[in-house]
Amino acid sequence: GAGVSQSPRYKVAKRGQDVALRCDPISGHVSLFWYQQALGQGPEFLTYFQNEAQLDKSGLPSDRFFAERPEGSVSTLKIQRTQQEDSAVYLCASSPGDTQYFGPGTRLTVL
Amino acid sequence: QKEVEQDPGPLSVPEGAIVSLNCTYSNSAFQYFMWYRQYSRKGPELLMYTYSSGNKEDGRFTAQVDKSSKYISLFIRDSQPSDSATYLCAMSTNNYGQNFVFGPGTRLSVLP
Repeated sequence: GAGVSQSPRYKVAKRGQDVALRCDPISGHVSLFWYQQALGQGPEFLTYFQNEAQLDKSGLPSDRFFAERPEGSVSTLKIQRTQQEDSAVYLCASSPGDTQYFGPGTRLTVL
Repeated sequence: QKEVEQDPGPLSVPEGAIVSLNCTYSNSAFQYFMWYRQYSRKGPELLMYTYSSGNKEDGRFTAQVDKSSKYISLFIRDSQPSDSATYLCAMSTNNYGQNFVFGPGTRLSVLP
């Protein structure tokens, strides 16, 4: 497919578990973004990559959140020791340089 | 006060109506303005992308930016039930696809 894909689409974790969320950007897009979207809210910025370099991680809410993009394409957002407040939709977007194109998101529920 | 404000709705209109969706913002450095449509359990989909003040039309959609009032609008003509979704405005100070700030979204229902 030509769009941004994310997996898994749904993830249920017990509090304290680690989770890993994957994003496959549009081929050739240099920039990749992760957002967190709470119910009834707009996406909130988490972190930004240009190729494999993480240029901005100012939105990551705590040191339990970690993102990587080692080869400048696929990216993984990892959340360690999940808490109930981490329950949200995690959106990935990629950009060719002007605007952003979003994936379908991963809905994370922490019980 | 949030940087970007948007009436959350829900907004219900009959099919065929003209819909007006609005955002206000506080940062005068915003130059680039976007509207995204988000269906339930889907990611946001880009509808319109505009730069600075003025109007831009694309089919049934018109985006309007008034920088002097820090106010942007999206008009939908001849609204259809398939337009029922949440509409998110987003804005940025640059055109590199970075530093997007989103509004909370307005939920729209178009009733057949």
